[in-house]
Amino acid sequence: GQNIDQPTEMTATEGAIVQINCTYQTSGFNGLFWYQQHAGEAPTFLSYNVLDGLEEKGRFSSFLSRSKGYIYLLLKELQMKDSASYLCAVRDGDYKLSFGAGTTVTVRA
Amino acid sequence: IAGITQAPTSQILAAGRRMTLRCTQDMRHNAMYWYRQDLGLGLRLIHYSNTAGTTGKGEVPDGYSVSRANTDDFPLTLASAVPSQTSVYFCASSESGLAADTQYFGPGTRLTVL
Repeated sequence: GQNIDQPTEMTATEGAIVQINCTYQTSGFNGLFWYQQHAGEAPTFLSYNVLDGLEEKGRFSSFLSRSKGYIYLLLKELQMKDSASYLCAVRDGDYKLSFGAGTTVTVRA
Repeated sequence: IAGITQAPTSQILAAGRRMTLRCTQDMRHNAMYWYRQDLGLGLRLIHYSNTAGTTGKGEVPDGYSVSRANTDDFPLTLASAVPSQTSVYFCASSESGLAADTQYFGPGTRLTVL
């Protein structure tokens, strides 16, 4: 199986920056996804990385290092609505997604 | 509005009963998936289907069965529910199961087995 580690919880102040790290071990690699999940709702797609480097999408960006088995999600200019769980998911050699347990981010005023 | 629907939204079920969770998508996606989400464990794949007429086992398939008679529907059946199957169940779909496609999730079904 896959092994995906990410912190359980993080807290930050409105307007600040938070970085969520995720490390993974996988048999085969076909990309890494970040999903956002608000409490009681379905996960929604945030970003996808398959090549090393930075992918930017508005206030969110993600950086992948395949050699280190490491990716981070950077949330800038935090807003209260960014309070949610952020799920790191790796697509393995069989194209199946394996999810980390998620990082709950709490944004305080 | 295009997307994925799941039914029921929530259900309380007596142990030993049979239950089918329904999932329908109108995006004409080839691949569909069933996950369960438990606190501290994240989403775990139960079963998947890369195209109508085919299914496969995921990480935690025991106690569950699926069928894929057509493109749109992917029901999940618990033949004889047990308390450890208490969870939130999410159905998802993607254009293809064999490429780096994004998976889109339904709203979920909260199941409690007593």
